[in-house]
Amino acid sequence: KNQVEQSPQSLIILEGKNCTLQCNYTVSPFSNLRWYKQDTGRGPVSLTIMTFSENTKSNGRYTATLDADTKQSSLHITASQLSDSASYICVVSARRGLTGGGNKLTFGTGTQLKVEL
Amino acid sequence: SQTIHQWPATLVQPVGSPLSLECTVEGTSNPNLYWYRQAAGRGLQLLFYSVGIGQISSEVPQNLSASRPQDRQFILSSKKLLLSDSGFYLCAWSVLVNTGELFFGEGSRLTVL
Repeated sequence: KNQVEQSPQSLIILEGKNCTLQCNYTVSPFSNLRWYKQDTGRGPVSLTIMTFSENTKSNGRYTATLDADTKQSSLHITASQLSDSASYICVVSARRGLTGGGNKLTFGTGTQLKVEL
Repeated sequence: SQTIHQWPATLVQPVGSPLSLECTVEGTSNPNLYWYRQAAGRGLQLLFYSVGIGQISSEVPQNLSASRPQDRQFILSSKKLLLSDSGFYLCAWSVLVNTGELFFGEGSRLTVL
């Protein structure tokens, strides 16, 4: 069964500090992994995508890593800001055959990050 | 640019009443459309997806149904709501079916009493 597990479940940090969120998956066959940011009461927004051959990718203060061998990904946030307070969701896509359709995604339950003054 | 609109934003309905959530996409043609439900403490659950007008695939058997009467319109419905239908419903669209980025609407909070 395809699964995505995220840790920690929740996290509180002080403004300006760094943090790292973890994502472990058992999705197969692996296609790609995305990190989404979801503000409270809003729809998720994609931060970054990692494909099998990519190890690290940055998007501003967000840096995602992928270890396809251990099936782990991390999202590192540098110099956190109050606006970083949100739920961060790891989503892993499995390849489907030519006869398959739809977006075969497995969602993690998210890490709830709160940045305080 | 592409935009996605979803409404209503919040809805409080009694058990047994009907439901209609609507989603429209602007700025693109023939998008793949999706309805997700997000329950507290759980990951997003895919309910329905559509690759074209009138083409609906259901991922989870349930009390809900979906329709795509127009290319960029996706509707989530129920004839009789259950308490368990309460949740945060998200409409999304993508260009690519299998690997594409999902673009989500603002969500609809449904409370069934």
